[in-house]
Amino acid sequence: DAKTTQPNSMESNEEEPVHLPCNHSTISGTDYIHWYRQLPSQGPEYVIHGLTSNVNNRMASLAIAEDRKSSTLILHRATLRDAAVYYCILRRNAGNNRKLIWGLGTSLAVNP
Amino acid sequence: DVKVTQSSRYLVKRTGEKVFLECVQDMDHENMFWYRQDPGLGLRLIYFSYDVKMKEKGDIPEGYSVSREKKERFSLILESASTNQTSMYLCASSPGGGRTEAFFGQGTRLTVV
Repeated sequence: DAKTTQPNSMESNEEEPVHLPCNHSTISGTDYIHWYRQLPSQGPEYVIHGLTSNVNNRMASLAIAEDRKSSTLILHRATLRDAAVYYCILRRNAGNNRKLIWGLGTSLAVNP
Repeated sequence: DVKVTQSSRYLVKRTGEKVFLECVQDMDHENMFWYRQDPGLGLRLIYFSYDVKMKEKGDIPEGYSVSREKKERFSLILESASTNQTSMYLCASSPGGGRTEAFFGQGTRLTVV
């Protein structure tokens, strides 16, 4: 199974942009790149996903490298509520095997 | 908003007990999942189900079973609880049909003593 590699932790200041990197050098052609985040004492929350093209939604942007071996989650203006563990994961969609392959995530601290 | 509800937030059980963890989703999702989350190990998939009465083993199914008699409900069963099953258990659902995002419950912190 293809895995992802993320920094253990990152720090940001409030209202500044945050770029969270993820490496997935063994990604296969049919793997979707998903990002989730987990706030303290809560279950993970879906953020964004993509396959090849960059994606934007109300929460964040996802920039995917041309060779798909890496991606970056962009929070345009960090707030204190964005402090969470961010997971970059691959979604294998082989037949009925729709499982997500989870890494350990990046713990993001946001300073006021 | 999609809601995934787990029956208990905290649970304490004794070794050898049979334990039922219940999960209900209210958005007619096809797929449902059970994970456990442990420090340093991340989320690991126990079982998933892509239809009523259908189930597939995940990465760590040993010591667990599941039941999906109705589309909205997915139960995780610990046949004989052991201390190494002390963990945070997370249920999730996803729509299927090309939509890929998963929605998680709040989790059940199970302690086996």
